[in-house]
Amino acid sequence: NAGVMQNPRHLVRRRGQEARLRCSPMKGHSHVYWYRQLPEEGLKFMVYLQKENIIDESGMPKERFSAEFPKEGPSILRIQQVVRGDSAAYFCASSPQGGTQYFGPGTRLLVL
Amino acid sequence: DAKTTQPPSMDCAEGRAANLPCNHSTISGNEYVYWYRQIHSQGPQYIIHGLKNNETNEMASLIITEDRKSSTLILPHATLRDTAVYYCIVRVWDGTASKLTFGTGTRLQVTL
Repeated sequence: NAGVMQNPRHLVRRRGQEARLRCSPMKGHSHVYWYRQLPEEGLKFMVYLQKENIIDESGMPKERFSAEFPKEGPSILRIQQVVRGDSAAYFCASSPQGGTQYFGPGTRLLVL
Repeated sequence: DAKTTQPPSMDCAEGRAANLPCNHSTISGNEYVYWYRQIHSQGPQYIIHGLKNNETNEMASLIITEDRKSSTLILPHATLRDTAVYYCIVRVWDGTASKLTFGTGTRLQVTL
């Protein structure tokens, strides 16, 4: 039973470019959460999605960040016009029916 | 969600039991205690959770005091691979999903 998959594992972008991070939940999980971990800091919640719906986006920056979880395919976290402060590890977690969350290996974003 | 308090760091000799405490004095009746760990910069790994009864699985045991104001995670025979940051998280479970709020955790160092 495959765990939560995230790709790419490492992503390098120049300032002003777009970053797209993908998350495939565990089989049977319909709830996806995104968290961000800045260097030397703890994990911070960003957004919680179910299929085709954003349930809680209280942790999402107001601008440049968006997330989706379409009916088919992985969840996408999109960062437009990246800045150096966006450099961080982005973790996705999934859960069945809102139960225990299981995390993926993360995507390390480096903005040059 | 209730806040938790954990010691910033602990040491444990390999082969000995590691007992990691957590205070959650403002916990509510519908809040569970969850434990995760993060090894180096990997994705957080779920360990165990409980409501009021003690719990045990293949990884660890969770002891929750009768008043539920504190708990202890026990790794019965710590190994070097258990060196990680351990997070105690209190999370509401009322039939709907909710985010995890990570604190600073306890950095456990297992030594030879």
